[in-house]
Amino acid sequence: QQPVQSPQAVILREGEDAVINCSSSKALYSVHWYRQKHGEAPVFLMILLKGGEQKGHEKISASFNEKKQQSSLYLTASQLSYSGTYFCGTFRTGNQFYFGTGTSLTVIP
Amino acid sequence: GAVVSQHPSRVICKSGTSVKIECRSLDFQATTMFWYRQFPKQSLMLMATSNEGSKATYEQGVEKDKFLINHASLTLSTLTVTSAHPEDSSFYICSASPAMGAGELFFGEGSRLTVL
Repeated sequence: QQPVQSPQAVILREGEDAVINCSSSKALYSVHWYRQKHGEAPVFLMILLKGGEQKGHEKISASFNEKKQQSSLYLTASQLSYSGTYFCGTFRTGNQFYFGTGTSLTVIP
Repeated sequence: GAVVSQHPSRVICKSGTSVKIECRSLDFQATTMFWYRQFPKQSLMLMATSNEGSKATYEQGVEKDKFLINHASLTLSTLTVTSAHPEDSSFYICSASPAMGAGELFFGEGSRLTVL
């Protein structure tokens, strides 16, 4: 039920780019992206509702390939504030919401 | 954005006692509430999904009699950890959705449970 993310962890220098992938063995009808700082609640980044949809949020954007059951999150020109753990998530039939396995992102000066 | 309040934020209890965690949606009606448990460096694992006025749907491996979930109104859900043991120590977080199966989730602040 849980989407699988890759990579599990990534370390970037400020200004570098990163891609986080989210893959599901079951059909994806929508994909959510959240970022969580240690000990805090997840913060909403964006939802993609349609296959082929791309969205942007400042320097963070995402794409959704419904046929491949995949989504990718793109972080460009990373900032220190981007550090945290990123989760994709999706609703399944039965109204349950499952988070992905998570990707730890560390941005260093 | 919509506000979800969760408390207590931290609780320490003795083994064998019960602990209740409350989750309230302050400015919207939560058709669905979700309860998650998160161990260090791990993902948020869904424990149960509850819809107002009906019994919660528990995930496989989550003991219904140990983790009692009540969603008595459209703004309040509670999680009671009964007969807590040290292995129940974790970060518990609720989220609420005004719609079924769609839309952004709104999160409580989380509750850090430590069982001695």
